[in-house]
Amino acid sequence: KAGVTQTPRYLIKTRGQQVTLSCSPISGHRSVSWYQQTPGQGLQFLFEYFSETQRNKGNFPGRFSGRQFSNSRSEMNVSTLELGDSALYLCASSSRDISSGNTIYFGEGSWLTVV
Amino acid sequence: EDQVTQSPEALRLQEGESSSLNCSYTVSGLRGLFWYRQDPGKGPEFLFTLYSAGEEKEKERLKATLTKKESFLHITAPKPEDSATYLCAVQAAYGGSQGNLIFGKGTKLSVKP
Repeated sequence: KAGVTQTPRYLIKTRGQQVTLSCSPISGHRSVSWYQQTPGQGLQFLFEYFSETQRNKGNFPGRFSGRQFSNSRSEMNVSTLELGDSALYLCASSSRDISSGNTIYFGEGSWLTVV
Repeated sequence: EDQVTQSPEALRLQEGESSSLNCSYTVSGLRGLFWYRQDPGKGPEFLFTLYSAGEEKEKERLKATLTKKESFLHITAPKPEDSATYLCAVQAAYGGSQGNLIFGKGTKLSVKP
């Protein structure tokens, strides 16, 4: 059974550009959430989607956005990139709404470097 | 405010030297406490979920326990391949952070042969 798949794995962008990251959850999983991981702040919650609806959002500026498609695949977008957006972006999926406490599996992440 | 604190930040053990990692938490009603292992450059790998005080779960050399205020990850006779960063996260049942995982900063474990 394939795990959570994230693409691309590595990318370098310039300040002011925008970036789109993609996530394919485990087959049958309908809940997808996104996290940002940095050495200083650790793992921080960005947002969660369930059945194409954003259910929860973390404390990040509006430059960070996401969406979920009918096949549960999800994308996140960061516009007007800043140097501080350099991080590992992790996608996680679970079989039910994560607010039910179900097991949450993570992908390998997308490493974003902003120069 | 919901928060998770892990200690120690780093732990060095000799192979076979058992020890415990601590995760203390403050949360508006605990829906679940999660332990993950993360290797450098990789995503977190799921280990355990604990739901109520008194619950224990085991997997190979690892055993996780839960009380109303903290969780312990006990490592028995560790091997070098157990070296990794161990992350603890809680999921709140109520409040603004309901549903999402709130992570601690992790404990970096190094096991020397």
